[in-house]
Order: sequence, then C-alpha cells, then structure tokens
Amino acid sequence: AQSVTQLGSHVSVSEGALVLLRCNYSSSVPPYLFWYVQYPNQGLQLLLKYTTGATLVKGINGFEAEFKKSETSFHLTKPSAHMSDAAEYFCAVSSNFGNEKLTFGTGTRLTIIP
Amino acid sequence: EAEVAQSPRYKITEKSQAVAFWCDPISGHATLYWYRQILGQGPELLVQFQDESVVDDSQLPKDRFSAERLKGVDSTLKIQPAELGDSAMYLCASGDASGTDTQYFGPGTRLTVL
Repeated sequence: AQSVTQLGSHVSVSEGALVLLRCNYSSSVPPYLFWYVQYPNQGLQLLLKYTTGATLVKGINGFEAEFKKSETSFHLTKPSAHMSDAAEYFCAVSSNFGNEKLTFGTGTRLTIIP
Repeated sequence: EAEVAQSPRYKITEKSQAVAFWCDPISGHATLYWYRQILGQGPELLVQFQDESVVDDSQLPKDRFSAERLKGVDSTLKIQPAELGDSAMYLCASGDASGTDTQYFGPGTRLTVL
C-alpha cells in the first residue's frame, strides 16, 4: 500500500520569499512521485515528477523537488514566490509498474502575501 | 495542446436523482481514470480503464455508481440514485502507455446534491 503525507494544510509566504511545501511518502516498492497544482474549480496540472534517474527534478513555473529516499521525502520548493503561485498543491505517489493509479495527499493551500 | 474534455462543468441535482458525467480523453490515450475529490481532500480513484476494460474499480460504490468506456475512447460515469454525500468534484484523467506515467486531468465536474 502507498500513502502520502503533506505537512501543513495551509502555508503562507511573502511575495519574493522561498516556497517550501513538504511531502513524505510511504511505499513498499520504488515509487514514482508527482506534484500537481490546482486552481479554484479547475483540474490538476502537473508541476513535476520523479520516476528514475536524477533526484533533483525541475518543473514548470520555477518549481523543483528533490527525491530523498533515506528520508522518504519529496519536498517542493521555489526560490521566489509570485502572486500567481497561490493555489492548492498536491503530492502524489504511484508504483513503478506503469499506468498505476495515483495516491494523493490531502493538499497544501499556498497563500502569497503581497 | 491536446486536453481532456469533461462535461458538464457543474451539475446541481436533488438526492435520489440520476446524474451522468462524460469524459473525452486525449486522443490515443489508452488509460482513463475517474477520481472523486471531496472538498478539502485529495482526489481518490474510483475506476481505471485500460482501453475498454476495467482495471481497478475496487473503490467504486457499485450499488449506485457505474462507469463504462464502450469503444475504448470516451467514458461515462453515472450515479443512481445520488446521495448528499456524493457532492464532490469528479475528475477524469488519461494517460498514454509510453511509460511516462503522466496523467493528464480534465477540468472536472462539480456535483452538488441537494
């Protein structure tokens, strides 16, 4: 079984400050890890993903995440927050078997303070 | 850029009524997923199709929910009868079989049961 824990259901940062959203996972098999962003009343948009290879993954909109197996973590960061980053962020895990369902965390709502 | 289409975007119904949601995946995507997202939570898989076959429907409440993908292209999710607890966002996603394991989400259908 797989699971995801997102620490902090709400995170507020000032515009221009570092964004750090935390994600820890549990998986009995090598995981694939994903971060999705959701704007109000919209679907989910993929920010980035880790499958194999380089553990530091760069995504869209200046976001990146690092897979740390020893810490079972996949935290999302962005050096400088922008007002347009305000949204709900979901971390998700699947197995490496291919075409598997995603198991999502409960989400973190990011607020940007002007 | 190809997108997953869903309709309707919003649906309000009374309990005990029947509702249906439609999803058209990205052309050529063999895998189709229906997720349910309750307000304040992450999406949870209801059913997964590979072409026209059901791969996983273990979390689908089969006494009231049904899903089909008759020709392996578009899909319909039905609820009959709807209950108050079914109020949620219903998200459709599709994925190719190329091994990228990326799921592309549609805009969702927001269901409100009165």
